[in-house]
Amino acid sequence: GAGVSQSPRYKVTKRGQDVALRCDPISGHVSLYWYRQALGQGPEFLTYFNYEAQQDKSGLPNDRFSAERPEGSISTLTIQRTEQRDSAMYRCASSEEGHLRTDTQYFGPGTRLTVL
Amino acid sequence: QKEVEQNSGPLSVPEGAIASLNCTYSDRVSQSFFWYRQYSGKSPELIMSIYSNGDKEDGRFTAQLNKASQYVSLLIRDSQPSDSATYLCAVEVGGYQKVTFGTGTKLQVIP
Repeated sequence: GAGVSQSPRYKVTKRGQDVALRCDPISGHVSLYWYRQALGQGPEFLTYFNYEAQQDKSGLPNDRFSAERPEGSISTLTIQRTEQRDSAMYRCASSEEGHLRTDTQYFGPGTRLTVL
Repeated sequence: QKEVEQNSGPLSVPEGAIASLNCTYSDRVSQSFFWYRQYSGKSPELIMSIYSNGDKEDGRFTAQLNKASQYVSLLIRDSQPSDSATYLCAVEVGGYQKVTFGTGTKLQVIP
């Protein structure tokens, strides 16, 4: 079956522009997670949703970052007024029920963001 | 102190040997621990999870957990060149549905 998909796969933007990154989770998955991964590092938690409710946004670096999942399925991570330090791989993951002891997080292919 | 610490490696082992990967964590209340494998240029994929002290075996993989010492390890028996990847340790933080990853250990299995 279809896995987690993300679009675009690559995004190059100029400093100061806004970007929107999309995640389409596995159908029926309750939980959706956003991570940021720098080269040579592990994924860094940003935020997660159960259904449409944002449960934890403590990992969002600052108020330029926001995320939504209005219908409990597709999610969008928006970065306003991008800065060069925002350049990274942004990964989305989903899990069936959100219980880490019984679930598996399935990661999407990621969006490589480059801010010039 | 980082929440989850791993040696970045690379760890080089000959084909057929046992690879031992270690991870320490700082949050004593953590209850769930995970090992992910990430091939170069690919996404992380879950290979093992462990919740209780002791060993958990799955095929050639064994996860070991010692909560008193706050460390988790992953043993890969009969290592194969296809096991060459970065192995990420992840720890559930603070009892919530949130996972913190280590920086990963790069494993190289030499044919």
